[in-house]
Amino acid sequence: QKEVEQDPGPLSVPEGAIVSLNCTYSNSAFQYFMWYRQYSRKGPELLMYTYSSGNKEDGRFTAQVDKSSKYISLFIRDSQPSDSATYLCAMTSFSGYSTLTFGKGTMLLVSP
Amino acid sequence: SQTIHQWPATLVQPVGSPLSLECTVEGTSNPNLYWYRQAAGRGLQLLFYSVGIGQISSEVPQNLSASRPQDRQFILSSKKLLLSDSGFYLCACPGLNYGYTFGSGTRLTVV
Repeated sequence: QKEVEQDPGPLSVPEGAIVSLNCTYSNSAFQYFMWYRQYSRKGPELLMYTYSSGNKEDGRFTAQVDKSSKYISLFIRDSQPSDSATYLCAMTSFSGYSTLTFGKGTMLLVSP
Repeated sequence: SQTIHQWPATLVQPVGSPLSLECTVEGTSNPNLYWYRQAAGRGLQLLFYSVGIGQISSEVPQNLSASRPQDRQFILSSKKLLLSDSGFYLCACPGLNYGYTFGSGTRLTVV
């Protein structure tokens, strides 16, 4: 079983839809969870981070973590064509020099 | 905040040729530095990381090597490229909130 599982998509939605992106993980040591957005031919950029179970909201984006189920989600409300990108989840146990473990990314396409 | 510079942005190289990709960091000192490769369908693969000058850890045995000659410089090299070395190479360093700041990447195509 891979440490982090993420559906690669593509996920196609119309403009204005609510988008749900998800990752599951197997390592219970992971404590910090992040979502990155990567536009085509660009480096990933940090979108949201959280380190506790529950929801964290930032504008149209909500990150949700359920540590008991080892499941994290990113919700995008009122999706826009500019949200079309690949979204990668990432997580770490943060023990000294621990590195991030990434999901493979989900490609999202928002059509006008 | 940190800024990572990578060049070149795009590179097409023949099989068997050497490779040198450079990454420099601004806005921080003595950062951990990472080289990732992103291939279609495979996600981000950590290749090397460095905690200081001359200190390199390899995560995956392969045709590539890395060096850190200066505090803010990280170089990815190969003596002879293989077709399987094609991919999108990203340099990263720790940023805010335990996440990473990434460079803009180099797209390498080996032909």
